[in-house]
Amino acid sequence: GAGVSQSPSNKVTEKGKDVELRCDPISGHTALYWYRQSLGQGLEFLIYFQGNSAPDKSGLPSDRFSAERTGGSVSTLTIQRTQQEDSAVYLCASSMTSYSNEQFFGPGTRLTVL
Amino acid sequence: AQKVTQAQTEISVVEKEDVTLDCVYETRDTTYYLFWYKQPPSGELVFLIRRNSFDEQNEISGRYSWNFQKSTSSFNFTITASQVVDSAVYFCALSEESYGGSQGNLIFGKGTKLSVKP
Repeated sequence: GAGVSQSPSNKVTEKGKDVELRCDPISGHTALYWYRQSLGQGLEFLIYFQGNSAPDKSGLPSDRFSAERTGGSVSTLTIQRTQQEDSAVYLCASSMTSYSNEQFFGPGTRLTVL
Repeated sequence: AQKVTQAQTEISVVEKEDVTLDCVYETRDTTYYLFWYKQPPSGELVFLIRRNSFDEQNEISGRYSWNFQKSTSSFNFTITASQVVDSAVYFCALSEESYGGSQGNLIFGKGTKLSVKP
């Protein structure tokens, strides 16, 4: 079956611009996660959606970051007024439920802020 | 405080050698899950294994085996008779039942880069 997909695969933007990153989870998976992978910080949790519950935003690094999940499926991560330190690979993962299940990761979006 | 520690940043071995990747974790929860993921040069994280905190039985899957010891808070991963295709970054991760009330996000170690040379 289809895995987690993310788009775009690469995004180059100028400092100060807004970007939107998209994630399509595996069908039927109720939990969706966003992570960020950078050289200096490793893999960091950003935000978590579980079904129709309010998302856990505890990992978002600043108020420039936001995410939504429409219809319990597709999710969009938005970064406003991008900064150079936002350059990283943004990974999306989904799982059947929550913490007990393995998370399946998408290929990621490589964001470069010039 | 770092909750998952992978002390080995890089390991280099020659094909057919056995290699063990170390993982030490920290948690106050009695219920938690441990994971290993592989990230090959292509970049996509691949799930390898999940282990819950109540099951300390070691597991073997082909050339891969995992040793979970609660007494030392360790969840080590051994590759037997390594192959060039095993070259990747390997991440150990922890998921806690009550972490921040969120239930679910993975707390990753910094990863161990394994290079298997022919």
